[in-house]
Amino acid sequence: AQSVTQLDSHVSVSEGTPVLLRCNYSSSYSPSLFWYVQHPNKGLQLLLKYTSAATLVKGINGFEAEFKKSETSFHLTKPSAHMSDAAEYFCVVSDPRGGRRALTFGSGTRLQVQP
Amino acid sequence: DAGVTQSPTHLIKTRGQHVTLRCSPISGHKSVSWYQQVLGQGPQFIFQYYEKEERGRGNFPDRFSARQFPNYSSELNVNALLLGDSALYLCASSFDSLADTQYFGPGTRLTVL
Repeated sequence: AQSVTQLDSHVSVSEGTPVLLRCNYSSSYSPSLFWYVQHPNKGLQLLLKYTSAATLVKGINGFEAEFKKSETSFHLTKPSAHMSDAAEYFCVVSDPRGGRRALTFGSGTRLQVQP
Repeated sequence: DAGVTQSPTHLIKTRGQHVTLRCSPISGHKSVSWYQQVLGQGPQFIFQYYEKEERGRGNFPDRFSARQFPNYSSELNVNALLLGDSALYLCASSFDSLADTQYFGPGTRLTVL
């Protein structure tokens, strides 16, 4: 079975300071890992994905994540937060066994950005 | 290009009724997945369809059913609605059932009174 644990339900940062959203995963197979963002009353947007290529993955809007197999972690970072980054962020693991790719979501981290 | 579209945007039903939600995937995508997102939680996988066949089902009761049409659009049906079915229902499309990137629609907000 696969699972995802997002270690913080809420993170608050000041505009211009670094962002760190933490995620640990569990998977019996080599996983694909994703970060999605959900702005209020909007659908889910893919930020970035890891699929066994480079361990440091760059995404949209300046976000990046590093896959660390030894720590089973896939933390999301951004050097400098912007007000528009305020949203709900989901860490997601995917397992393609059985001819289908169901996504397993974490419980989410709400990012607040203070002016 | 149009993204994933879902209808209706919002829906209010009463307990015991049934509901049909609709989804149109991105042009060229042949797989549709459905997810339920209860307020304050992450989305949970309900179904995946590919080429009109069910490819996977999450841990949901038989009151939930779905189908995919020849044009790859999809319907999610929920019978005998319960208060706990109130949620945002998200549709995601992908090129095929093993494509690692799924693109989500804006969702249908279902409220059961």
